[in-house]
Amino acid sequence: GAGVSQSPSNKVTEKGKDVELRCDPISGHTALYWYRQSLGQGLEFLIYFQGNSAPDKSGLPSDRFSAERTGGSVSTLTIQRTQQEDSAVYLCASRGWDQNTQYFGPGTRLTVL
Amino acid sequence: KQEVTQIPAALSVPEGENLVLNCSFTDSAIYNLQWFRQDPGKGLTSLLLIQSSQREQTSGRLNASLDKSSGRSTLYIAASQPGDSATYLCALPGSSNTGKLIFGQGTTLQVKP
Repeated sequence: GAGVSQSPSNKVTEKGKDVELRCDPISGHTALYWYRQSLGQGLEFLIYFQGNSAPDKSGLPSDRFSAERTGGSVSTLTIQRTQQEDSAVYLCASRGWDQNTQYFGPGTRLTVL
Repeated sequence: KQEVTQIPAALSVPEGENLVLNCSFTDSAIYNLQWFRQDPGKGLTSLLLIQSSQREQTSGRLNASLDKSSGRSTLYIAASQPGDSATYLCALPGSSNTGKLIFGQGTTLQVKP
């Protein structure tokens, strides 16, 4: 079946602009994760959604970052007033309720000029 | 706080060699450990997942071992092929409740024909 998809695949923006990144998880997966992969920091957890529970936002680096998940499916990660240090690849993953393995999307490469 | 370290950071071998990638972690109270593969510009693909009660897992030419007491895992690749060239990442859940993963920095493998 279809895997995790993310859009756009690449995004170039100017410093100070807002961006939205989209994740479509595998159908039926209740858990959804956002991670960030940057040269200096490696792969870092950002936020986790599980069903209708309150999200775990403990990995968000600042209040400029937010995410929502509508209808328990699609998720959007929003970065406001982007800074150059936000440049990274943003990866989304989903997991079935009875699984340990997370399935990753191809990522969105964000470049802030 | 769990910390994950991978050695070496990069490895170049001729085709056909057997090789070992290393992963170490600071907190031995883990639930499972996963090895992922990442190709350039792509997302992550799960290779092997070892539960905390297991000592090893095998898939084709790959074998992953786990020694919780010493905080180590190894990924053994037999008879390496150029198609094995990729970055290999080790990851552990930071919390059993959420499954959010803590990643090592990865080992970038190049297998030369």
